[in-house]
Amino acid sequence: GAGVSQSPSNKVTEKGKDVELRCDPISGHTALYWYRQSLGQGLEFLIYFQGNSAPDKSGLPSDRFSAERTGGSVSTLTIQRTQQEDSAVYLCASSLALTASTEAFFGQGTRLTVV
Amino acid sequence: AQSVAQPEDQVKVAEGNPLTVKCTYSVSGNPYLFWYVQYPNRGLQFLLKYITGDNLVKGSYGFEAEFNKSQTSFHLKKPSALVSDSALYFCAVRDEGGNNRLAFGKGNQVVVIP
Repeated sequence: GAGVSQSPSNKVTEKGKDVELRCDPISGHTALYWYRQSLGQGLEFLIYFQGNSAPDKSGLPSDRFSAERTGGSVSTLTIQRTQQEDSAVYLCASSLALTASTEAFFGQGTRLTVV
Repeated sequence: AQSVAQPEDQVKVAEGNPLTVKCTYSVSGNPYLFWYVQYPNRGLQFLLKYITGDNLVKGSYGFEAEFNKSQTSFHLKKPSALVSDSALYFCAVRDEGGNNRLAFGKGNQVVVIP
């Protein structure tokens, strides 16, 4: 597709369950970001992938969070043993990260609700 | 590490009046600055960016932003606001000499009153 695609668009899960969120970046984009958007909290950086380099995981809030990017394209964000405070919108973005001046393009997000 | 401050939670203007959304930033090197807009239940849409050159940058939907290095600011402006401009606006910065992390402010809710 032409844009960044995220699935599912909405996810309701029970506390303690694991969830997987998927992101399909724009074709050819080498950089991929995950952010979390909570009400009134702005965008919280989670993780950044750039080509074959080691990802920048410094934003992951706990060891329950992990992400991978297979084949330099699709990425999956996994949250284990979900907690109610994990409820948020999870946004994925991609960019042509040839230089730091390149803008990122965002998907529409996955709204996660932990009950 | 790079950071952005958007000091106002909400900006209210009457339709037809000028709109300004404030942003200040902090980086160790030269900044690359971005504005994004988010409509309800949608992802973020890119509006404009400052890389180098003219301090006044023009973007989508009639928006522009002015880079001020001495004040470390990058305020978003529109000469005449429309009701359809009501949305959440985010300022973001990357550090030229640092990592490629894109740091966002907390966002400003813009309400344009008919």
